[in-house]
Amino acid sequence: AQTVTQSQPEMSVQEAETVTLSCTYDTSESDYYLFWYKQPPSRQMILVIRQEAYKQQNATENRFSVNFQKAAKSFSLKISDSQLGDAAMYFCAYRRNSGYALNFGKGTSLLVTP
Amino acid sequence: GAGVSQSPSNKVTEKGKDVELRCDPISGHTALYWYRQRLGQGLEFLIYFQGNSAPDKSGLPSDRFSAERTGESVSTLTIQRTQQEDSAVYLCASSPTPGPIDYGYTFGSGTRLTVV
Repeated sequence: AQTVTQSQPEMSVQEAETVTLSCTYDTSESDYYLFWYKQPPSRQMILVIRQEAYKQQNATENRFSVNFQKAAKSFSLKISDSQLGDAAMYFCAYRRNSGYALNFGKGTSLLVTP
Repeated sequence: GAGVSQSPSNKVTEKGKDVELRCDPISGHTALYWYRQRLGQGLEFLIYFQGNSAPDKSGLPSDRFSAERTGESVSTLTIQRTQQEDSAVYLCASSPTPGPIDYGYTFGSGTRLTVV
């Protein structure tokens, strides 16, 4: 079974600064997808960014980028120019290419201070 | 609809009662998923529907849990004889048919179930 580990239960960043959230995963598959989801107090899970394992180039979506290290099975999320609206729970998730279920980590609570 | 709709938003029930949770997926999304999120935890997969069939029910925690789906539309998750450990947020998501390109799911806002 694939497991996803987020070792930081809580992180804090000042507005306009940069923060990196960590995620590692365990798999024997070579082809898979990785995701970061944001969950604000509204509870709805919002897709932030996705990465296909066969792509070496790190995914980027505006202020959000990932550092994907396939050999190390690491998938960290960098948030640049942090904004108050970025405060939320962030979940890392894995899905194998031939599967459909997402395996989630336990999440990191991000606090953004003025 | 424009998004995934879940109802009710919150549900408080007495231990031993049955509850039904509803999910209305995005129109045209053939795949539908139910997840459970206990307090302070990540999401646990419960069940996957492709159309109205459920190829994977492996995440349902006990035979008190069941789910059905009408065509490629509404799904209902039923929990019978609720227990306090069933208290959680139940999230539904939908997506186009899973394929080689995955753009992720679209989630609803969940139903917070509290069993007292």
